Amino acid sequence: EPEVTQTPSHQVTQMGQEVILRCVPISNHLYFYWYRQILGQKVEFLVSFYNNEISEKSEIFDDQFSVERPDGSNFTLKIRSTKLEDSAMYFCASANRGRSEKLFFGSGTQLSVL
Amino acid sequence: ILNVEQSPQSLHVQEGDSTNFTCSFPSSNFYALHWYRWETAKSPEALFVMTLNGDEKKKGRISATLNTKEGYSYLYIKGSQPEDSATYLCAFNDAGKSTFGDGTTLTVKP
Repeated sequence: EPEVTQTPSHQVTQMGQEVILRCVPISNHLYFYWYRQILGQKVEFLVSFYNNEISEKSEIFDDQFSVERPDGSNFTLKIRSTKLEDSAMYFCASANRGRSEKLFFGSGTQLSVL
Repeated sequence: ILNVEQSPQSLHVQEGDSTNFTCSFPSSNFYALHWYRWETAKSPEALFVMTLNGDEKKKGRISATLNTKEGYSYLYIKGSQPEDSATYLCAFNDAGKSTFGDGTTLTVKP
């Protein structure tokens, strides 16, 4: 069964450093998402992406965050200058169509900012 | 800020018991309600996407109902098995993003 893959599974970085989290969505999917879950808290929406542009973003997704689909297969989340509070599990998800379609999640990247 | 609440927070049942839990969500601007099953160390797995008031969906021993007018959905598990142990998340979808509840963690004891 096709799946969403995320790399790396764990990322440790120093505060202030840039990180790029990578995702390969399911190949025929058109809608892409990033979510995160801080330990002990709810899963939170960050951003949705369709047709090579951001379609929706949350208040969490400020100027230090950016997303890209550079080559038609990868979907990346960049955090420009990491803060301690960015430590979380980051999930990528994709869907074939829009809001009424189920999301397929990757297994997540655990980001630890020291 | 949208309020999506799930109850109970955790549930312990014996193998063979049937159980149910609740997701409540805003009754306005409803587009879809998703249920996910999330096992430890795995990614959330979609169970159901429900869009119409009165929807009932079933997948094996798991079923769900939806009431958009009063803003709730129930998830039922009939004859729980140890492999049903997981966190069950609901997510309310309005304008293209999903707002998740905290989840209900189910533990089924053999």
